[in-house]
Amino acid sequence: GDSVTQMEGPVTLSEEAFLTINCTYTATGYPSLFWYVQYPGEGLQLLLKATKADDKGSNKGFEATYRKETTSFHLEKGSVQVSDSAVYFCALRGGYSTLTFGKGTMLLVSP
Amino acid sequence: DADVTQTPRNRITKTGKRIMLECSQTKGHDRMYWYRQDPGLGLRLIYYSFDVKDINKGEISDGYSVSRQAQAKFSLSLESAIPNQTALYFCATSDAQGAYNEQFFGPGTRLTVL
Repeated sequence: GDSVTQMEGPVTLSEEAFLTINCTYTATGYPSLFWYVQYPGEGLQLLLKATKADDKGSNKGFEATYRKETTSFHLEKGSVQVSDSAVYFCALRGGYSTLTFGKGTMLLVSP
Repeated sequence: DADVTQTPRNRITKTGKRIMLECSQTKGHDRMYWYRQDPGLGLRLIYYSFDVKDINKGEISDGYSVSRQAQAKFSLSLESAIPNQTALYFCATSDAQGAYNEQFFGPGTRLTVL
């Protein structure tokens, strides 16, 4: 079945540091890929998405590129802020149009 | 006003009690989902519904049931709650016509079973 593997957290960074959160997936066919973010006490929000190989999703300074050859969709940001502290979920949408989520990675950014 | 609402937001109950969690949406979406979130396990799909007459089991449906009362309402029931059902529960919706099938999440219900 479909699965998503994310790096374990927490990831602890200082403000303005570079962020990478790794995500790899296993799926049949050609899934769509997503990053969702969950701020403390809130539900999940879509951060960015990509639907085919080599697509780059971007939003709020975050980027991720759909790499079919490495089955990866790593999240990056060049300069994190304290307000980016949250839990980040990588997800894929497979053949049944449901989402399969990774376990989430907590990001903590200190001033 | 929030597009996806969940009630209650917090609930503490005892083992063996019947509990219903409710979800309403004003987005006009056909598809609705119930997930549970546990620390270190991410989100796991319990049930989903692609329209009022279509209900499907997800990854972890045992111990749960659902009712799709209308396009806008999707309820999750625990017939006889047990402590390992203590979790954060999320409802989500999506548009069947959306190219990316983005899901929109409610704020969550924190359920504690003693």
